[in-house]
Amino acid sequence: AQTVTQSQPEMSVQEAETVTLSCTYDTSESDYYLFWYKQPPSRQMILVIRQEAYKQQNATENRFSVNFQKAAKSFSLKISDSQLGDAAMYFCAYRSPYGGATNKLIFGTGTLLAVQP
Amino acid sequence: DAGVIQSPRHEVTEMGQEVTLRCKPISGHNSLFWYRQTMMRGLELLIYFNNNVPIDDSGMPEDRFSAKMPNASFSTLKIQPSEPRDSAVYFCASSLRAGRIHEQYFGPGTRLTVT
Repeated sequence: AQTVTQSQPEMSVQEAETVTLSCTYDTSESDYYLFWYKQPPSRQMILVIRQEAYKQQNATENRFSVNFQKAAKSFSLKISDSQLGDAAMYFCAYRSPYGGATNKLIFGTGTLLAVQP
Repeated sequence: DAGVIQSPRHEVTEMGQEVTLRCKPISGHNSLFWYRQTMMRGLELLIYFNNNVPIDDSGMPEDRFSAKMPNASFSTLKIQPSEPRDSAVYFCASSLRAGRIHEQYFGPGTRLTVT
């Protein structure tokens, strides 16, 4: 069974600085998807960025980028130029690309990010 | 376009009562998921529908929980009878199961408190 581990329960960053959130996963599959979701105090789950395992290029979405190391099974999220609105719980998630029962997202335990003004 | 709609946003009920949570997926999406979020267990899938048919209900905790999807635009998650340990945030998510990507979009969640 696949597992996702986020070893940093809490992180803090100064406004305008850069922060990296860590995520590791375990799987025997060679093809899969990885996601980062943001959950602000409103508790809405917002998709931040996604990575397809067969793509070597790291995904980027504006100030958000990932460092995907497939061999190491690592998927970290880098937030550049941090803003107060980035303060939230961040979840790393894994999903198999296949249909049927494996279509569910498997989440890590989350990292609570605080942004200091 | 409207996102995933869930109702109610908050529900407080007494132990033993029946609770029904509702979800309207994004129009055109053909997959629907119910997740539960608790401090102890984090986010976990309860049940997953594809084209209104339950595909994986292995996450449903016990017989007190049931879910239906009578049509493509509506789903319910029912707990009967409710217990204090059912207190959690329940999320509904939907996706368009086409091609490889089919990202899941979440609703705002229903915070359930069972006293």
